[in-house]
Amino acid sequence: AQSVTQLDSQVPVFEEAPVELRCNYSSSVSVYLFWYVQYPNQGLQLLLKYLSGSTLVESINGFEAEFNKSQTSFHLRKPSVHISDTAEYFCAVSDPTNAGKSTFGDGTTLTVKP
Amino acid sequence: KAGVTQTPRYLIKTRGQQVTLSCSPISGHRSVSWYQQTPGQGLQFLFEYFSETQRNKGNFPGRFSGRQFSNSRSEMNVSTLELGDSALYLCASSLGAGRAREQYFGPGTRLTVT
Repeated sequence: AQSVTQLDSQVPVFEEAPVELRCNYSSSVSVYLFWYVQYPNQGLQLLLKYLSGSTLVESINGFEAEFNKSQTSFHLRKPSVHISDTAEYFCAVSDPTNAGKSTFGDGTTLTVKP
Repeated sequence: KAGVTQTPRYLIKTRGQQVTLSCSPISGHRSVSWYQQTPGQGLQFLFEYFSETQRNKGNFPGRFSGRQFSNSRSEMNVSTLELGDSALYLCASSLGAGRAREQYFGPGTRLTVT
């Protein structure tokens, strides 16, 4: 069985400040890791993914996440946030040995204040 | 490519009624998953279909059922609706077996049970 823990349910930050959204996972097998973002009244959108290779992955809008196998973590970071980054962020794992079954964390609400 | 579409977008039903929600995946995607999202429970996995077969199932009562058609479109049905079934129901599609299972979400169907 696999599980995902997002350590913060709410993260308020000021515009242009750095932010880190924390995600830890538990799994008995190697997994794929994802971050999704959900804007109000919309579905989830894939932000970035780790499948293999470089442990640091980046998205097109300035977010990055680093896979740390020893700490079983996949924290999401952005050096300078914008008001438009206000959304809910979900960390997810996918088990390639179980038909890719996905497990999502409970989500972190990022609120960027002016 | 067109994204994942879900119909209807909004629905109001009365306790005891049944409801059918529809999801059309991205062209070429063979896997469709359904999720229930509520403020209290977060994002909960309902079931996943691949090539018309249910491949994974979450911990929901038998009132929740689904199916997938040969063109990969999927429907989910909830019978004998309860107030607690009020939620945003999200459908996600992915390429399917052997892939990393990054999922593409639809905008959701907002179900309100009165």
